[in-house]
Amino acid sequence: DVKVTQSSRYLVKRTGEKVFLECVQDMDHENMFWYRQDPGLGLRLIYFSYDVKMKEKGDIPEGYSVSREKKERFSLILESASTNQTSMYLCASTGTNSGNTIYFGEGSWLTVV
Amino acid sequence: SQKIEQNSEALNIQEGKTATLTCNYTNYSPAYLQWYRQDPGRGPVFLLLIRENEKEKRKERLKVTFDTTLKQSLFHITASQPADSATYLCAPPGGNTPLVFGKGTRLSVIA
Repeated sequence: DVKVTQSSRYLVKRTGEKVFLECVQDMDHENMFWYRQDPGLGLRLIYFSYDVKMKEKGDIPEGYSVSREKKERFSLILESASTNQTSMYLCASTGTNSGNTIYFGEGSWLTVV
Repeated sequence: SQKIEQNSEALNIQEGKTATLTCNYTNYSPAYLQWYRQDPGRGPVFLLLIRENEKEKRKERLKVTFDTTLKQSLFHITASQPADSATYLCAPPGGNTPLVFGKGTRLSVIA
C-alpha cells in the first residue's frame, strides 16, 4: 500500500522557534509537495520538488523553506515560526509510476503560540 | 490567472438522493481533472480522474463528467449514504505548478 508519512501529527511551538516538518514517501516518487490548509482558503501550495536537491516556490512560500536531500524525504522548515503559520500542513507526492494521482499524508496540525 | 471554482461551499442532501457537485475552471484548458475526497482532519484521497477526451467516467456509485465547452466538471454520487459525507475537492493540473485544488464542497448526507 502506498504511503506518505508525516513525522508529527500535532505540534505546539512558540513564536520565533525553528520548526521542522518531515515527510517520507515509500513509492519512489519523483515529485513531492507541501500544502497548507486553512478554513475557507482551501489547499495552498507552499513549495514543491521535482527531484532531489531541487525545489520550486508555490503560491505562498514566504516564511518557509524546504530541503530534499534524498528522493523519499521532503522537509518543510519554518525558520522563525509566527502565529499566522498556525495551520494544517499536508505533504503529498506523485510520480511516473502512479500516473497523475497525488498521494497525501495524514497532515500535521501546527499551533504557534 | 487560472482559477478553479467549486460552486457550493456546503451541500446538504437526503440519504438515497443523488448529490451533484460542480467544478468550474477559467483561463486555461486542463488535459484532465481529478476529484478527491477529504474527511475532517485527514489528507485528501484520490477518487477519479477524467481526461479531456472522456465525456464521462464511472466508479461504483460515482460518476464524473467533463465538458470542455462549458469548462466544467460535474461529480455525482448516486444513492447517497451518510458515509459519503465529506469534503470533495476538484483538481485540474496547473500550468507551471502542480495540481490546483478548488476550495472544496462539504457534502452532508442526512439520514
